[in-house]
Amino acid sequence: AQSVTQLGSHVSVSEGALVLLRCNYSSSVPPYLFWYVQYPNQGLQLLLKYTTGATLVKGINGFEAEFKKSETSFHLTKPSAHMSDAAEYFCAVRYNYGQNFVFGPGTRLSVLP
Amino acid sequence: EPEVTQTPSHQVTQMGQEVILRCVPISNHLYFYWYRQILGQKVEFLVSFYNNEISEKSEIFDDQFSVERPDGSNFTLKIRSTKLEDSAMYFCASSGDREETQYFGPGTRLLVL
Repeated sequence: AQSVTQLGSHVSVSEGALVLLRCNYSSSVPPYLFWYVQYPNQGLQLLLKYTTGATLVKGINGFEAEFKKSETSFHLTKPSAHMSDAAEYFCAVRYNYGQNFVFGPGTRLSVLP
Repeated sequence: EPEVTQTPSHQVTQMGQEVILRCVPISNHLYFYWYRQILGQKVEFLVSFYNNEISEKSEIFDDQFSVERPDGSNFTLKIRSTKLEDSAMYFCASSGDREETQYFGPGTRLLVL
């Protein structure tokens, strides 16, 4: 069965520190990969996506992610955390064009002053 | 920037009642989706819709659920006889013909009492 795992349901970092949120998927066929962010009481906002081409993708708010096929990973990073980054982050994969997303369980990011 | 809209933002209903959640996808999109997120849990796929018919549905999407595109702009999710466990945030999403990204609406929070 297709699955997405996110290591760490809750990650805390200090303001200005590196943010690393992990995502792994289970598939021998590289899927399309996405990161969404959900701020409290709001919907899902696309941060970035990988479909084809360059494996390092840059998104909004200074986030980026690297697709590593050998590790079946798509970890999300940001060099310097800001208080406004506190939110829930969801990794999602899509295995076939036009088909539904499979979401990971989410990682709640807290940013400490 | 075009966006997906959903109404109502909140709905409270009695168990056994019918509810209709409404979505207006991005106007030139062809694929439509419903997801739900039970409080504190991950986002789960319910159903996808293309060319006026369901293209895929999950095991959650049982006979109590139905979707419809009654006109050229709206996409609705009907829950025929709500249960307590239907309480969740329901997200509508849409994607274009040649895009992989699904754009999510802000969600409807459904509370079944």
